[in-house]
Amino acid sequence: EAQVTQNPRYLITVTGKKLTVTCSQNMNHEYMSWYRQDPGLGLRQIYYSMNVEVTDKGDVPEGYKVSRKEKRNFPLILESPSPNQTSLYFCASGLQRNEQFFGPGTRLTVL
Amino acid sequence: AQSVSQHNHHVILSEAASLELGCNYSYGGTVNLFWYVQYPGQHLQLLLKYFSGDPLVKGIKGFEAEFIKSKFSFNLRKPSVQWSDTAEYFCAVNPNNNDMRFGAGTRLTVKP
Repeated sequence: EAQVTQNPRYLITVTGKKLTVTCSQNMNHEYMSWYRQDPGLGLRQIYYSMNVEVTDKGDVPEGYKVSRKEKRNFPLILESPSPNQTSLYFCASGLQRNEQFFGPGTRLTVL
Repeated sequence: AQSVSQHNHHVILSEAASLELGCNYSYGGTVNLFWYVQYPGQHLQLLLKYFSGDPLVKGIKGFEAEFIKSKFSFNLRKPSVQWSDTAEYFCAVNPNNNDMRFGAGTRLTVKP
């Protein structure tokens, strides 16, 4: 089944404790992206990747890192999480930017 | 600033009522347009999309949207909503093949 998977789906952590949210797709898509969803703000792009080893900042990259060592994986790294990063995070992938398939979401709470 | 605007934050309808959700954008040039739906606790799913051609686009579950270039609008419609349509709806624009921009979302509640 074609899908985008994210792990974990739910995470509660404390300020400053490094964490990684994994994202994997099995559709051989070149484009992958991370968004955060906050009430009243819709989805805002954090980082995106056009292909392996090619990543770039989106609209709200501060406090996040990504890597794209393999085509199928695009992990999101929070080196030192803070409470303002409490949010719902979605990974997405697509053949191009203009059509994306979304993962199930990761609800992160930073205390 | 360039943006995607969804004017209705929360819409409440009774079953069988007609639905129209507004979406306006401020990007020039070529735009690809999308509506996504997010059911409670689930991920975003594509309802419909417009790239070119007939400006009236039909999507899944009886939804349709009309692209009006002169008004920079891409409103979503459904003639008769069901309780199962309760969800959040996001308009998205892909301007000039750049990254997708989302509206803030409209929450639809359908009363049985």
